[in-house]
Amino acid sequence: AQSVTQPDIHITVSEGASLELRCNYSYGATPYLFWYVQSPGQGLQLLLKYFSGDTLVQGIKGFEAEFKRSQSSFNLRKPSVHWSDAAEYFCAVGARGSQGNLIFGKGTKLSVKP
Amino acid sequence: DTAVSQTPKYLVTQMGNDKSIKCEQNLGHDTMYWYKQDSKKFLKIMFSYNNKELIINETVPNRFSPKSPDKAHLNLHINSLELGDSAVYFCASSQASASYNEQFFGPGTRLTVL
Repeated sequence: AQSVTQPDIHITVSEGASLELRCNYSYGATPYLFWYVQSPGQGLQLLLKYFSGDTLVQGIKGFEAEFKRSQSSFNLRKPSVHWSDAAEYFCAVGARGSQGNLIFGKGTKLSVKP
Repeated sequence: DTAVSQTPKYLVTQMGNDKSIKCEQNLGHDTMYWYKQDSKKFLKIMFSYNNKELIINETVPNRFSPKSPDKAHLNLHINSLELGDSAVYFCASSQASASYNEQFFGPGTRLTVL
């Protein structure tokens, strides 16, 4: 069965420090992979996605993620965190077509220290 | 222009009542979804509609009934509300034929059952 694991429930980093949020997935084929961000009281905004091709994908707000098939991982990174990055981050795996609902991880809450 | 909109944003009601949440998308997508986000921020698919036909119906009580009058709308009707229905409900849409099947989310409806 498809599943997504985000091992870290809560991460705190200092402003300006680098960030890596972990995501591991279980899927029978090459998945579509997504990272969404949810600011407090807001909906979900897509940060970046992986479909095929280059395994390092760039997203909005300076985020990037790397797909590693051998490790079934799709970790999210940012070289320098800003206070406005404090939010909940969700990794998701999806399938193509009309059956393409997303399976979400349980999220990682990011707190940023001044 | 709002891509995916939901009304109402907040909904407070008593146990046993019947309520509806409306969702509209102006992206021309052919697939729409309802997700439930519980108090622990876990997001789970409830329903998926493609071209007004129900595609996915996860294990959801039959008190929940999605209704899609046209491709741009997917409403969620809930009968006999229970305390456990309190959650944030997100509507989303995508184009099933598109490569990425990227889903666009609405701002969410926070339902509180008293």
